[in-house]
Amino acid sequence: GDSVTQMEGPVTLSEEAFLTINCTYTATGYPSLFWYVQYPGEGLQLLLKATKADDKGSNKGFEATYRKETTSFHLEKGSVQVSDSAVYFCALSPNAGGTSYGKLTFGQGTILTVHP
Amino acid sequence: DTAVSQTPKYLVTQMGNDKSIKCEQNLGHDTMYWYKQDSKKFLKIMFSYNNKELIINETVPNRFSPKSPDKAHLNLHINSLELGDSAVYFCASSLGQQPSTDTQYFGPGTRLTVL
Repeated sequence: GDSVTQMEGPVTLSEEAFLTINCTYTATGYPSLFWYVQYPGEGLQLLLKATKADDKGSNKGFEATYRKETTSFHLEKGSVQVSDSAVYFCALSPNAGGTSYGKLTFGQGTILTVHP
Repeated sequence: DTAVSQTPKYLVTQMGNDKSIKCEQNLGHDTMYWYKQDSKKFLKIMFSYNNKELIINETVPNRFSPKSPDKAHLNLHINSLELGDSAVYFCASSLGQQPSTDTQYFGPGTRLTVL
C-alpha cells in the first residue's frame, strides 16, 4: 500500500538557518503530494502541495518539488524563524479513483524547533 | 468565523463509557473526514463521507461509528471506550470535487483521555 517516510526528528535550528526536511513516498501511479503544518495546540493546515511530477509548491518561503524519479518531496526554507516552530507532515493522496480516493496517507511528522 | 469546529475540545472519561465527538464545517464542502493522532503524532484516517455517504472506512474497531446527519456535520460515536482509544481526534473537510488534489481543512482537534 501507499506509504510516506519523513526524516526523523526532532530538528533544532537557530533562527535564519537553512531547513531541509526529507520526504519520500511509495505509491502506485502519480499521487498528489502535500506538506501540512501543525502549530502547537492547533489542527493541521496546508503549507503547500504539488499535483504532478516536477511541480514546485511554495508558500511562506517554504518550497518543495515533486520528484518522480526519486519519489521525493523534500521541504526547504532558506531562513527559518522562531514562528516556524511546529510539526511538519508530508502526505500523499492517490490520483486513482475507488475507495482510496481522497485518502491522505501521512508521514510520521517532524518536530521543528527554532531558537532565537 | 471558524471553518471546521469540533466539540468538545477535551474529553476525559472512564473505560467502558460511550462518548460522542461532534464536527461541523461552514465551508460548504461536500466531503468530511475523521483522523486519529496518537501520542507520537502519527495521523491515520478513520472515515470519510461525501454528501452523507460513507466513502472511506479504514480498519477501525466497530465500536467507532460515524454519523453524518447532513453534509455540514460528521459526528463520531465511540462505544465501550478502551485505554487505547486515548488520542487526539481531528475532523477535516474538503470540497470533494477533486479528492486527490483537494486541500483538506482541519478542525482544532478533540483530545480524548480514557482512564
